[in-house]
Amino acid sequence: QSALTQPPSASGSPGQSVTISCTGTTSDVGGYEYVSWYQQHPGKAPKLMIFEVSKRPSGVPDRFSGSKSGNTASLTVSGLQAEDEADYYCSSYAGSNSLVFGGGTKLTVL
Amino acid sequence: QVQLVQSGAEVKKPGASVKVSCKASGYTLTDRHMHWVRQAHGQGLEWMGWINPKSGDTEYAQKFQGRVTMTRDTSISTGYMELSSLRSDDTAVYYCGKSYGGPGLDHWGQGTLVTVSS
Repeated sequence: QSALTQPPSASGSPGQSVTISCTGTTSDVGGYEYVSWYQQHPGKAPKLMIFEVSKRPSGVPDRFSGSKSGNTASLTVSGLQAEDEADYYCSSYAGSNSLVFGGGTKLTVL
Repeated sequence: QVQLVQSGAEVKKPGASVKVSCKASGYTLTDRHMHWVRQAHGQGLEWMGWINPKSGDTEYAQKFQGRVTMTRDTSISTGYMELSSLRSDDTAVYYCGKSYGGPGLDHWGQGTLVTVSS
């Protein structure tokens, strides 16, 4: 499968909101309600922030929210904080028991 | 609390194999699929496959079929990922991850750096 498409970078000032997109096809993002989002700080393992499009694991701030429309999923970070600066990756179920990741987006807090 | 502890860094020559372990604690290994994901330096995440520790069933990404083998030893709550015929572009950090119950990973190991160099 081809990787999902994410913008390489995104940015926002503290307190602002930023949205990161993740575009796939009807064979992955558009076909299933199984999009996840991960946050990765430099040198660290990824952390699950959103699963099943819009659900937050326990402990993830409600400033993080997810949605999907057609073949594009989105992660919105509201009330940006300095610690939100990280790489963000989406993933989707892609059928036949497989997963596919996006290329990643570097979020900069200005 | 759930922890996944991986084995240490490895240096291998081209053509060799590497086997990375992932010891699970804080949950029952057989309750959740274990995934393997790799990340080359400065690059994105790449899904390699999963193993159902209860049955031993596996599913591998097409790119790695024929070169990767995922196994487990339930008696010591440990999963393994073996990659053969190593090439220089296999140099990466390899992560294991626990499924949350669906197609996603809610806990990750600390990563194992595998360097392939002659």
